[in-house]
This record gives sequence, structure tokens and C-alpha cells, in this order.
Amino acid sequence: ETGVTQTPRHLVMGMTNKKSLKCEQHLGHNAMYWYKQSAKKPLELMFVYNFKEQTENNSVPSRFSPECPNSSHLFLHLHTLQPEDSALYLCASSQEASGGRNSYNEQFFGPGTRLTVL
Amino acid sequence: AQSVAQPEDQVNVAEGNPLTVKCTYSVSGNPYLFWYVQYPNRGLQFLLKYITGDNLVKGSYGFEAEFNKSQTSFHLKKPSALVSDSALYFCAVRGFFSGTYKYIFGTGTRLKVLA
Repeated sequence: ETGVTQTPRHLVMGMTNKKSLKCEQHLGHNAMYWYKQSAKKPLELMFVYNFKEQTENNSVPSRFSPECPNSSHLFLHLHTLQPEDSALYLCASSQEASGGRNSYNEQFFGPGTRLTVL
Repeated sequence: AQSVAQPEDQVNVAEGNPLTVKCTYSVSGNPYLFWYVQYPNRGLQFLLKYITGDNLVKGSYGFEAEFNKSQTSFHLKKPSALVSDSALYFCAVRGFFSGTYKYIFGTGTRLKVLA
């Protein structure tokens, strides 16, 4: 497979369930991202991993827990979610400059996981 | 505050007519600006970017964007719209926000090209 893949594509879960979203990038990039996309809202950056280290957590509730075991894989563990967490969750990757310098490389996105919390 | 604005929720244009999707930004320093497109049930797809140099940037599928520093705008354009261009378009800026480099996306503009 090429690009960025996400599984599952659709997920329905109750508020007491525990589930995980998986993202895999086949591009050799060193940074991976989780975004939340809700209707009529800007894309919300949730987490950033650079060189497998979490560098960003945008005040995301603890019911969302990211994991990045290596530079190609990213997980989002979900537990005791709320109905307002229903959204499209997008994973992305990019090649970032080292040493905290700015880079201008575009992000590559997966197709997303459509999550519905009942 | 650093931000990206897409003032139109939806833009309708007839097939064959030119289209413009607007984007303005507010960021300190030199911004890196991007346009992405999202088709139904798909992730975002990169269209083009402005880093430096020529203010008119050409991208995929015949799209181009014009960087205007004085107006802090980066509008997306295409000379002749196709029905297949109908999608959700996102403007994004990469800059230094809250102590780190990151991307900020706009709310998106839905483009509808009518046959």
C-alpha cells in the first residue's frame, strides 16, 4: 500500500467502550498527526509526533490517548467517549526539519475514520 | 492572534466559468501557505503551496493561487471550473504559534460547480 492508511474506516461505539484507531504511513516521513474534523469547524489539531516524540497535545481530553511505537505507526486509543466526540478523525504525516527549524513540506492525509459515539 | 479565515462557507460557479476561493491569514513573520482539497469520504489532498518567490503559484488540476502580502491573502483560482472540482477546499498556514511550528487550517469552503 502507498500513502497514509487508516483503520477502521467507520466505527460506532458506546460511551463505555474502549477502541483504537490505527494509522500507518508508507512515505518514510518523520512526523505524524491526529486531527479531528467536525462539521463547520476548523480542522482541530489534536496530537503531533516528531521523530516518535510527542511534541504537541492541544488540550485534548484524557479520554483520547495517542501512541506512536515507531515513525510509521500512530494509534489513537479511545475510552469513555462522549457523543460530542463523534467526528471524522484524520491522520497525517509529513517530513519535518530537525532541530526545531521550520519546514515547508505539505502534509499527507489518510482517508479518516468516521467515529460515531452513541 | 494567528489565524486563517475562509470567509465563504460555499461558492457556486457554473462549469466553464472562472472560480475563486478566498483565504486571508494573520500570522507574524513569513508564512508558508497551503491549499488542500477534500473529496467526499476522503482525506485532505495537497493542491499547492507558497513558500517564497513568485506570488502566483501553480498547482495540481489546473489550480493556482495568488499570494498578496499587503492584503494578507492567498486566494485559490482556476480559469475554467469543472463539475469534478466540486469539493471542500481548505486553506492552511504554517508558522510559529505558541512556541512551536505548526499548521493552522481554515474552516473550509465548499465549492459547487454547476453543469
